[in-house]
Amino acid sequence: DGGITQSPKYLFRKEGQNVTLSCEQNLNHDAMYWYRQDPGQGLRLIYYSQIVNDFQKGDIAEGYSVSREKKESFPLTVTSAQKNPTAFYLCASSIAWGQGRNTEAFFGQGTRLTVV
Amino acid sequence: DAKTTQPNSMESNEEEPVHLPCNHSTISGTDYIHWYRQLPSQGPEYVIHGLTSNVNNRMASLAIAEDRKSSTLILHRATLRDAAVYYCILRGYNNNDMRFGAGTRLTVKP
Repeated sequence: DGGITQSPKYLFRKEGQNVTLSCEQNLNHDAMYWYRQDPGQGLRLIYYSQIVNDFQKGDIAEGYSVSREKKESFPLTVTSAQKNPTAFYLCASSIAWGQGRNTEAFFGQGTRLTVV
Repeated sequence: DAKTTQPNSMESNEEEPVHLPCNHSTISGTDYIHWYRQLPSQGPEYVIHGLTSNVNNRMASLAIAEDRKSSTLILHRATLRDAAVYYCILRGYNNNDMRFGAGTRLTVKP
């Protein structure tokens, strides 16, 4: 089945450790996105990428890093510099602007990260 | 960046129509209006999108004002499963970064 997969669903880490969240898609989408969601809040954009080997900071990039070495994959690393990393993290993908008609974005089911 | 404004929350009775408003007064000519909804503990899912004309699909209808500065998502008969947070966003040449606001939390009462 085509789709976007995030793993793991739940993740626990000790404070001060870096942790990498996985996001894989087989939809042949060029654009991929990472969001953070805190309880009762909307989605905040962390990073996005419109093409392989390129990515842009969103509104809350500090303490996070990404890579885009393959079209299918856009992993997010939550570093020890992120002061309050406990949150729900969502990944999305879509056709990038200019590649065809405007279409919807697809979201993964999210990773709930808890740092203790 | 073009932004959207939505009410924080709305309530509806089951099996009644629901009209969810969205204001986007700074929309540009190339921006599409997209709606997504997020059920509890899940990722958002696409609902509908449009550019200028009203749109219908199996989930909802989208009514776009003639000046495109506002739009309304219409759920024709709300069910308990429609209880979710609904997000209105703009996507286009200058909005490929896909930013979300706080959305509207829809409560459906039996």
